[in-house]
Amino acid sequence: NAGVTQTPKFRVLKTGQSMTLLCAQDMNHEYMYWYRQDPGMGLRLIHYSVGEGTTAKGEVPDGYNVSRLKKQNFLLGLESAAPSQTSVYFCASSLDSSTDTQYFGPGTRLTVL
Amino acid sequence: QKEVEQDPGPLSVPEGAIVSLNCTYSNSAFQYFMWYRQYSRKGPELLMYTYSSGNKEDGRFTAQVDKSSKYISLFIRDSQPSDSATYLCAMSAANILTGGGNKLTFGTGTQLKVEL
Repeated sequence: NAGVTQTPKFRVLKTGQSMTLLCAQDMNHEYMYWYRQDPGMGLRLIHYSVGEGTTAKGEVPDGYNVSRLKKQNFLLGLESAAPSQTSVYFCASSLDSSTDTQYFGPGTRLTVL
Repeated sequence: QKEVEQDPGPLSVPEGAIVSLNCTYSNSAFQYFMWYRQYSRKGPELLMYTYSSGNKEDGRFTAQVDKSSKYISLFIRDSQPSDSATYLCAMSAANILTGGGNKLTFGTGTQLKVEL
């Protein structure tokens, strides 16, 4: 099993550009999450999904959109990138709500100039 | 005030030392407590998982939870250079997210360096 994978690993954007980050998991997990990690702020939840076709807002959702068209994939979109979105983005998945173990991907380093 | 407080370090210890990492929290609803290890430029990986109060031991690692004091600890015995990483505490209440799922609240992480 590959676990949780993320594409791309690195990306540099100019302000106003858009992009999509892809997360894939092969563990048949129902729940998937997108976090951002910033120095001194820890990991903060952006959006999450409790199953195929469902999404919900987390702690810092503004400026991001998500989609979960297939159970194994969770996409994070930036419609109009801003320098404040420079961060490391992590995707995670967990089996179900009774299990709190979340498995993380390797991260995507995004820089917005 | 943050819900979860964690000293960022860095903490530098000699090989073989006992390491103590700690977090305090303010939300009394937290019941599930975790420690994640994150190597540089990698994703966090679950190290220890504890429900409610008490101790849990796994090899060189021991997790302690004191809910009355809202304080959790991770002890690493016989520390090795390979333990050098950032350690994140995380915690959650049961089914706090609308529709299910587990909202984890993370500490900011403590950077540990074990020197030869």
